[in-house]
Amino acid sequence: QVQLQESGPGLVKPSETVSLTCTVSGGSINNHWWSWIRQSPGKGLEWIGFIYDTGSTNYNPSLKSRATISVDTSRNQFSLNLNFVTAADTAIYHCARTIAYGGKWFDTWGQGTLVTVSS
Amino acid sequence: EIVLTQSPGTLSLSPGERATLSCRASQTLSSSYLAWYQQRPGQAPRLLMYGASNRAAGISDKFSGSGSGTEFTLTISRLEPDDFAVYYCQQSAGSPRTFGQGTKLEI
Repeated sequence: QVQLQESGPGLVKPSETVSLTCTVSGGSINNHWWSWIRQSPGKGLEWIGFIYDTGSTNYNPSLKSRATISVDTSRNQFSLNLNFVTAADTAIYHCARTIAYGGKWFDTWGQGTLVTVSS
Repeated sequence: EIVLTQSPGTLSLSPGERATLSCRASQTLSSSYLAWYQQRPGQAPRLLMYGASNRAAGISDKFSGSGSGTEFTLTISRLEPDDFAVYYCQQSAGSPRTFGQGTKLEI
Protein backbone atom coordinates (compact mmCIF):
# COMPACT_ATOMS: atom_id res chain seq x y z
CA GLN A 1 0.00 0.00 0.00
CA VAL A 2 1.44 3.32 -1.08
CA GLN A 3 2.17 5.82 1.69
CA LEU A 4 3.28 9.43 1.42
CA GLN A 5 5.16 11.48 3.98
CA GLU A 6 5.83 15.20 3.79
CA SER A 7 8.89 16.80 5.34
CA GLY A 8 10.18 20.33 5.59
CA PRO A 9 10.58 23.33 7.89
CA GLY A 10 7.61 24.28 10.01
CA LEU A 11 8.48 27.96 10.17
CA VAL A 12 9.59 30.22 7.34
CA LYS A 13 10.20 33.98 7.27
CA PRO A 14 8.30 36.25 4.90
CA SER A 15 9.90 36.67 1.46
CA GLU A 16 11.91 33.45 1.86
CA THR A 17 11.51 30.14 0.04
CA VAL A 18 9.87 27.10 1.60
CA SER A 19 11.08 23.72 0.38
CA LEU A 20 9.02 20.60 1.05
CA THR A 21 9.69 16.99 0.12
CA CYS A 22 7.28 14.10 -0.23
CA THR A 23 8.69 10.60 0.18
CA VAL A 24 6.72 7.80 -1.47
CA SER A 25 6.93 4.35 0.12
CA GLY A 26 5.27 1.04 -0.65
CA GLY A 27 5.22 1.70 -4.37
CA SER A 28 7.09 3.30 -7.25
CA ILE A 29 6.91 6.97 -8.14
CA ASN A 30 7.07 5.97 -11.80
CA ASN A 31 4.05 6.04 -14.09
CA HIS A 32 2.00 8.31 -11.84
CA TRP A 33 1.16 11.97 -11.42
CA TRP A 34 1.95 13.53 -8.03
CA SER A 35 0.44 16.65 -6.53
CA TRP A 36 0.84 19.27 -3.86
CA ILE A 37 -2.32 20.59 -2.24
CA ARG A 38 -2.56 23.00 0.66
CA GLN A 39 -5.29 23.62 3.18
CA SER A 40 -5.91 26.70 5.28
CA PRO A 41 -8.92 27.96 7.25
CA GLY A 42 -9.24 30.96 4.98
CA LYS A 43 -8.86 29.35 1.56
CA GLY A 44 -9.92 25.75 2.17
CA LEU A 45 -8.30 23.19 -0.12
CA GLU A 46 -6.14 24.68 -2.86
CA TRP A 47 -4.42 22.64 -5.56
CA ILE A 48 -0.87 23.90 -6.12
CA GLY A 49 0.27 21.73 -9.01
CA PHE A 50 1.30 18.28 -10.15
CA ILE A 51 4.17 16.52 -11.82
CA TYR A 52 4.61 13.31 -13.80
CA ASP A 53 7.61 11.03 -13.37
CA THR A 54 9.03 12.44 -16.60
CA GLY A 55 9.07 15.91 -15.07
CA SER A 56 6.07 17.29 -16.92
CA THR A 57 4.24 19.80 -14.69
CA ASN A 58 1.04 21.82 -14.40
CA TYR A 59 0.56 24.62 -11.86
CA ASN A 60 -2.23 26.72 -10.39
CA PRO A 61 -1.91 30.17 -12.02
CA SER A 62 -2.98 31.82 -8.75
CA LEU A 63 0.49 31.18 -7.37
CA LYS A 64 1.90 33.48 -10.05
CA SER A 65 4.83 31.23 -10.92
CA ARG A 66 6.14 31.14 -7.33
CA ALA A 67 5.79 27.36 -7.16
CA THR A 68 8.16 24.81 -8.65
CA ILE A 69 7.61 21.06 -8.36
CA SER A 70 10.39 18.60 -9.14
CA VAL A 71 10.77 14.83 -8.99
CA ASP A 72 13.66 12.55 -8.03
CA THR A 73 12.76 9.07 -9.23
CA SER A 74 15.97 7.57 -7.83
CA ARG A 75 14.88 8.55 -4.33
CA ASN A 76 11.14 8.02 -4.89
CA GLN A 77 10.56 11.62 -3.88
CA PHE A 78 9.06 14.77 -5.27
CA SER A 79 9.41 18.29 -3.96
CA LEU A 80 7.81 21.70 -3.82
CA ASN A 81 9.61 25.03 -3.71
CA LEU A 82 7.45 28.06 -3.02
CA ASN A 83 9.29 31.35 -3.09
CA PHE A 84 8.56 34.87 -1.83
CA VAL A 85 6.22 33.50 0.82
CA THR A 86 3.85 35.70 2.81
CA ALA A 87 1.50 35.07 5.72
CA ALA A 88 -1.14 34.05 3.16
CA ASP A 89 0.96 30.96 2.41
CA THR A 90 0.55 29.66 5.96
CA ALA A 91 -1.22 26.33 5.57
CA ILE A 92 -1.03 22.58 5.91
CA TYR A 93 0.73 21.27 2.80
CA HIS A 94 -0.27 17.81 1.59
CA CYS A 95 1.31 15.70 -1.09
CA ALA A 96 -0.94 13.30 -2.96
CA ARG A 97 -0.78 10.60 -5.58
CA THR A 98 -2.84 11.65 -8.56
CA ILE A 99 -4.65 9.13 -10.71
CA ALA A 100 -5.75 9.95 -14.23
CA TYR A 101 -9.08 8.31 -15.01
CA GLY A 102 -11.15 10.69 -17.02
CA GLY A 103 -10.10 13.58 -14.84
CA LYS A 104 -7.27 13.69 -12.33
CA TRP A 105 -8.07 12.63 -8.78
CA PHE A 106 -6.09 12.57 -5.56
CA ASP A 107 -6.39 9.00 -4.34
CA THR A 108 -3.65 8.77 -1.69
CA TRP A 109 -2.64 11.64 0.58
CA GLY A 110 0.10 12.33 3.05
CA GLN A 111 -0.92 13.52 6.50
CA GLY A 112 0.32 16.99 5.72
CA THR A 113 2.91 19.32 7.19
CA LEU A 114 2.10 22.70 8.71
CA VAL A 115 4.04 25.60 7.28
CA THR A 116 3.83 28.88 9.19
CA VAL A 117 5.12 32.07 7.61
CA SER A 118 6.16 34.51 10.29
CA SER A 119 9.07 36.73 11.17
CA GLU B 1 -11.61 29.19 -12.90
CA ILE B 2 -14.48 26.80 -12.14
CA VAL B 3 -16.06 27.61 -8.77
CA LEU B 4 -17.75 24.83 -6.81
CA THR B 5 -20.39 25.79 -4.26
CA GLN B 6 -21.44 23.18 -1.73
CA SER B 7 -24.66 23.16 0.24
CA PRO B 8 -25.61 23.08 2.95
CA GLY B 9 -22.61 24.39 4.86
CA THR B 10 -23.54 22.23 7.83
CA LEU B 11 -25.90 19.27 7.89
CA SER B 12 -27.14 17.95 11.22
CA LEU B 13 -28.43 14.38 11.16
CA SER B 14 -28.57 11.28 13.34
CA PRO B 15 -26.97 7.85 12.93
CA GLY B 16 -29.09 5.66 10.70
CA GLU B 17 -30.41 8.56 8.61
CA ARG B 18 -29.62 9.38 4.99
CA ALA B 19 -27.51 12.40 4.04
CA THR B 20 -27.75 14.28 0.77
CA LEU B 21 -24.95 16.73 -0.04
CA SER B 22 -24.93 19.06 -3.03
CA CYS B 23 -22.20 20.57 -5.19
CA ARG B 24 -22.96 23.19 -7.82
CA ALA B 25 -20.42 24.14 -10.49
CA SER B 26 -20.13 27.59 -12.05
CA GLN B 27 -19.76 25.96 -15.48
CA THR B 28 -21.14 22.81 -17.02
CA LEU B 29 -18.99 19.79 -16.24
CA SER B 30 -18.96 16.40 -17.83
CA SER B 31 -19.84 13.99 -15.06
CA SER B 32 -16.48 12.40 -15.64
CA TYR B 33 -14.79 15.35 -14.00
CA LEU B 34 -16.31 15.53 -10.50
CA ALA B 35 -15.04 13.83 -7.34
CA TRP B 36 -15.96 13.71 -3.65
CA TYR B 37 -13.65 13.49 -0.63
CA GLN B 38 -14.22 12.86 3.07
CA GLN B 39 -12.06 14.49 5.73
CA ARG B 40 -12.27 13.39 9.34
CA PRO B 41 -10.79 15.61 12.08
CA GLY B 42 -7.00 15.48 12.14
CA GLN B 43 -6.82 13.39 8.98
CA ALA B 44 -6.07 14.02 5.34
CA PRO B 45 -8.92 13.99 2.84
CA ARG B 46 -9.89 10.58 1.46
CA LEU B 47 -11.14 10.01 -2.06
CA LEU B 48 -14.70 8.62 -2.02
CA MET B 49 -16.05 9.04 -5.55
CA TYR B 50 -14.61 10.00 -8.92
CA GLY B 51 -16.26 10.52 -12.26
CA ALA B 52 -19.29 11.62 -10.22
CA SER B 53 -20.56 8.08 -9.58
CA ASN B 54 -17.57 5.71 -9.34
CA ARG B 55 -16.59 4.59 -5.86
CA ALA B 56 -12.89 4.64 -5.07
CA ALA B 57 -11.18 1.45 -3.94
CA GLY B 58 -12.40 0.21 -0.58
CA ILE B 59 -15.32 2.65 -0.32
CA SER B 60 -18.59 1.26 1.05
CA ASP B 61 -21.58 1.03 -1.26
CA LYS B 62 -23.54 3.18 1.18
CA PHE B 63 -21.83 6.09 -0.60
CA SER B 64 -23.29 6.99 -3.96
CA GLY B 65 -22.81 9.90 -6.32
CA SER B 66 -24.90 11.32 -9.11
CA GLY B 67 -25.46 14.38 -11.18
CA SER B 68 -24.59 16.09 -14.42
CA GLY B 69 -24.15 19.53 -15.89
CA THR B 70 -23.74 21.88 -12.96
CA GLU B 71 -25.53 19.93 -10.19
CA PHE B 72 -23.99 16.97 -8.40
CA THR B 73 -25.03 15.02 -5.32
CA LEU B 74 -23.35 12.74 -2.81
CA THR B 75 -25.71 10.48 -0.89
CA ILE B 76 -24.75 8.58 2.24
CA SER B 77 -27.25 6.02 3.41
CA ARG B 78 -27.43 4.59 6.92
CA LEU B 79 -25.17 7.12 8.64
CA GLU B 80 -22.68 5.70 11.12
CA PRO B 81 -20.57 7.63 13.66
CA ASP B 82 -17.49 7.47 11.39
CA ASP B 83 -19.39 9.24 8.60
CA PHE B 84 -19.65 12.50 10.53
CA ALA B 85 -16.93 14.52 8.86
CA VAL B 86 -16.40 17.25 6.28
CA TYR B 87 -17.08 16.42 2.63
CA TYR B 88 -15.55 18.23 -0.35
CA CYS B 89 -16.27 18.08 -4.05
CA GLN B 90 -13.49 18.66 -6.60
CA GLN B 91 -13.54 19.27 -10.34
CA SER B 92 -11.00 18.19 -12.90
CA ALA B 93 -12.64 19.65 -16.01
CA GLY B 94 -10.48 22.74 -16.09
CA SER B 95 -7.27 24.12 -14.74
CA PRO B 96 -6.81 25.01 -12.01
CA ARG B 97 -8.34 22.00 -10.31
CA THR B 98 -10.64 23.39 -7.64
CA PHE B 99 -12.46 22.21 -4.53
CA GLY B 100 -15.72 23.23 -2.97
CA GLN B 101 -15.68 24.89 0.44
CA GLY B 102 -16.99 21.76 2.15
CA THR B 103 -20.10 20.50 3.91
CA LYS B 104 -19.76 19.59 7.57
CA LEU B 105 -21.89 16.58 8.46
CA GLU B 106 -22.53 16.64 12.18
CA ILE B 107 -24.57 14.67 14.65
